[in-house]
Amino acid sequence: DAGVIQSPRHEVTEMGQEVTLRCKPISGHNSLFWYRQTMMRGLELLIYFNNNVPIDDSGMPEDRFSAKMPNASFSTLKIQPSEPRDSAVYFCASSWGEKLFFGSGTQLSVL
Amino acid sequence: EDQVTQSPEALRLQEGESSSLNCSYTVSGLRGLFWYRQDPGKGPEFLFTLYSAGEEKEKERLKATLTKKESFLHITAPKPEDSATYLCAVQASSGGGADGLTFGKGTHLIIQP
Repeated sequence: DAGVIQSPRHEVTEMGQEVTLRCKPISGHNSLFWYRQTMMRGLELLIYFNNNVPIDDSGMPEDRFSAKMPNASFSTLKIQPSEPRDSAVYFCASSWGEKLFFGSGTQLSVL
Repeated sequence: EDQVTQSPEALRLQEGESSSLNCSYTVSGLRGLFWYRQDPGKGPEFLFTLYSAGEEKEKERLKATLTKKESFLHITAPKPEDSATYLCAVQASSGGGADGLTFGKGTHLIIQP
């Protein structure tokens, strides 16, 4: 299995632009998580899905952030409009049970 | 609110010098405590899950232990390849399904040859 696949690996954009991060979970996993990692705040849970349904989005910082999971093999995290304070590494993880498997992350830089 | 505090923030050891990393937690009912390893430029990788006070788990040079308030990751005779950031996380027992984990900020461990 290829593991959790995230794209792009790096994204550089200008303030105000729309950013879309993509994730393909491990086949057969029924839960998907989006995390954000910064030096100051560490790993923060943004939102998670169970069987493609959003269960808890209380970690989404504000309305500029949205996430979708249209099917079991694909999820997106969108930021519109992006701001410099959104710069971070965004991780997607999937699980079947309690053990999370993380992707390699997307390094986002908003200038 | 669930909280996880790890110490020290950074630790530099000589190869073969054993030590322990600490993880203190506050959670409204613990379902599980997790240890992950993160290498630069990569996502965290699962190491252990502990469920109840007194439980211990081992993997190569690593041993994780759990009490009602904290967990320790003991590293015995470490090697340079053990250098990484070690993350502790808790999962609360409230709610159902695969709830998200609350992570600490990690301990950055460097093992010098």
